[in-house]
Amino acid sequence: AQRVTQPEKLLSVFKGAPVELKCNYSYSGSPELFWYVQYSRQRLQLLLRHISRESIKGFTADLNKGETSFHLKKPFAQEEDSAMYYCALRGSSNTGKLIFGQGTTLQVKP
Amino acid sequence: SAVISQKPSRDICQRGTSLTIQCQVDSQVTMMFWYRQQPGQSLTLIATANQGSEATYESGFVIDKFPISRPNLTFSTLTVSNMSPEDSSIYLCSVGQGLSTYEQYFGPGTRLTVT
Repeated sequence: AQRVTQPEKLLSVFKGAPVELKCNYSYSGSPELFWYVQYSRQRLQLLLRHISRESIKGFTADLNKGETSFHLKKPFAQEEDSAMYYCALRGSSNTGKLIFGQGTTLQVKP
Repeated sequence: SAVISQKPSRDICQRGTSLTIQCQVDSQVTMMFWYRQQPGQSLTLIATANQGSEATYESGFVIDKFPISRPNLTFSTLTVSNMSPEDSSIYLCSVGQGLSTYEQYFGPGTRLTVT
């Protein structure tokens, strides 16, 4: 079964501290993984795609197939990073549908 | 990226009634999807809206309850029929672009409250 697990509902850190938002997935084939972010009163937006191996707003995420993980990391958190973060899996290239994790609220304290 | 709008942005409805939500995209897209986000929950895919054919529903969702139309490549509607308080959710439209470098973009959502 295809599944995405984000074990933390809430992650609270101080400004300048490192951040790691955990994401584990279950999928038997080659997945495509994404991180989406939803800032307060804004729509859900794409943050990162694993296939791009990019860094957006200082965030990076590496796909670890051995551990079936796609953790989101940032070395120094900023207050404006406070938001809800969703990890998502696209398992089947034919359908395009996404399976979302439960989401993690990141709270960056001053 | 595609610009997506939804109408209405929010509504309060009485149980037993139906509400149709519209999703408009500023460019032609192949894939359109409807998601539900119940209070405090993640996003769950309701169905894929296929242009010119019947929508493809996910397990737990049926056409009688959530009829979907997709008359062209820029527009889709989702109807929530015979509503009950359990249907109170945010309903989101999204579009998918690309096949090899797939990205999905979301509308602002429709917040529905059923009393």
